[in-house]
Amino acid sequence: SAVISQKPSRDICQRGTSLTIQCQVDSQVTMMFWYRQQPGQSLTLIATANQGSEATYESGFVIDKFPISRPNLTFSTLTVSNMSPEDSSIYLCSVIPTLDYGYTFGSGTRLTVV
Amino acid sequence: AQKVTQAQTEISVVEKEDVTLDCVYETRDTTYYLFWYKQPPSGELVFLIRRNSFDEQNEISGRYSWNFQKSTSSFNFTITASQVVDSAVYFCALSGGFKTIFGAGTRLFVKA
Repeated sequence: SAVISQKPSRDICQRGTSLTIQCQVDSQVTMMFWYRQQPGQSLTLIATANQGSEATYESGFVIDKFPISRPNLTFSTLTVSNMSPEDSSIYLCSVIPTLDYGYTFGSGTRLTVV
Repeated sequence: AQKVTQAQTEISVVEKEDVTLDCVYETRDTTYYLFWYKQPPSGELVFLIRRNSFDEQNEISGRYSWNFQKSTSSFNFTITASQVVDSAVYFCALSGGFKTIFGAGTRLFVKA
């Protein structure tokens, strides 16, 4: 299975600022996914990032708030913009499953907005 | 629409007890995948199993076993002889394509 390095692992940010989360995969993958997990909640898909095209956002998520870059087949970034305390969550990147395996997730970024 | 229901919000057991985590799903797809993930207090998601819709064989891996029944749209997970290290949130997930829907999760407490 793919190995994903995600950073930062955690951060405490001031409201109104932005944070960029990086996700590096050890192999080339076509699709990468960004999820949000609010405290005590399940995972919600933010967007799907394909290399060479605009990210596809799920209902309730917009590009201005969560811009995504996908410059190549092994890397993606998610920016959480103009943060408020409601953005405090774990953000995870994921790649599509390989044969006989599940979706692989990064270790997550635990964001606290104060 | 796809849906995953994990009706058990929290389960508390004493070490060495067996425990079953329930998962019921809804989908109109004929081809789909089901997953179980473990999320320990550290927060990372640990893949446990993937099962496709054409493979209803039950699976056993050490103390873990899974029962997939299409007739009842269920994919239940049993931990035999639970241990304190099994304490975590467990998520069941369904994928009918490139999107994955997660259940709300079941928090398992295993007391020594």
